[in-house]
Amino acid sequence: DAGVIQSPRHEVTEMGQEVTLRCKPISGHDYLFWYRQTMMRGLELLIYFNNNVPIDDSGMPEDRFSAKMPNASFSTLKIQPSEPRDSAVYFCASSFMETEAFFGQGTRLTVV
Amino acid sequence: DAKTTQPPSMDCAEGRAANLPCNHSTISGNEYVYWYRQIHSQGPQYIIHGLKNNETNEMASLIITEDRKSSTLILPHATLRDTAVYYCIVRVPLGGSNYKLTFGKGTLLTVNP
Repeated sequence: DAGVIQSPRHEVTEMGQEVTLRCKPISGHDYLFWYRQTMMRGLELLIYFNNNVPIDDSGMPEDRFSAKMPNASFSTLKIQPSEPRDSAVYFCASSFMETEAFFGQGTRLTVV
Repeated sequence: DAKTTQPPSMDCAEGRAANLPCNHSTISGNEYVYWYRQIHSQGPQYIIHGLKNNETNEMASLIITEDRKSSTLILPHATLRDTAVYYCIVRVPLGGSNYKLTFGKGTLLTVNP
């Protein structure tokens, strides 16, 4: 398996634009996590899914952020409208049941 | 959530053992201790986890004290490629099979030649 695949790897966008980050989890994994990493706040859990169902979205910073998992092999994290303070590295991770989570390489988002 | 306390940074000589401490004094009986590391610009990488007993795998050993209030990650023969931020995490169950992994600030381990 190629591991958790995230796209794009880098994204630069203007303030106010919609941004969509994509994640393909490892085949057969039933948990999917979205994290955000900044220098100031470190790694923050935004939301996670179990069998495509959102379980805990208490880390989603505000209504501008939304995440979906339409099927077991794909998830999106959308920011609309984007703001400069959303600039960060966004990681997606997946796991099988309660075993260890595997992380993707991340998407570096810059909002100017 | 059970919180963890780690030193912000540590140094280790190449080829020597690296011992990374972690305090988790508020851990509950069903909460696992997990260790991840993050090499610069990469996603976090799983290392090892344990509940009560000491654990060993091809990457490291995990020593958990009898009262479970602290643990130590041991890299037996550190190499330059082990330079990374190491995170000690208490995995919090949320009911059913759901759980939460909350990362702290970790320890920056620098392995020196």
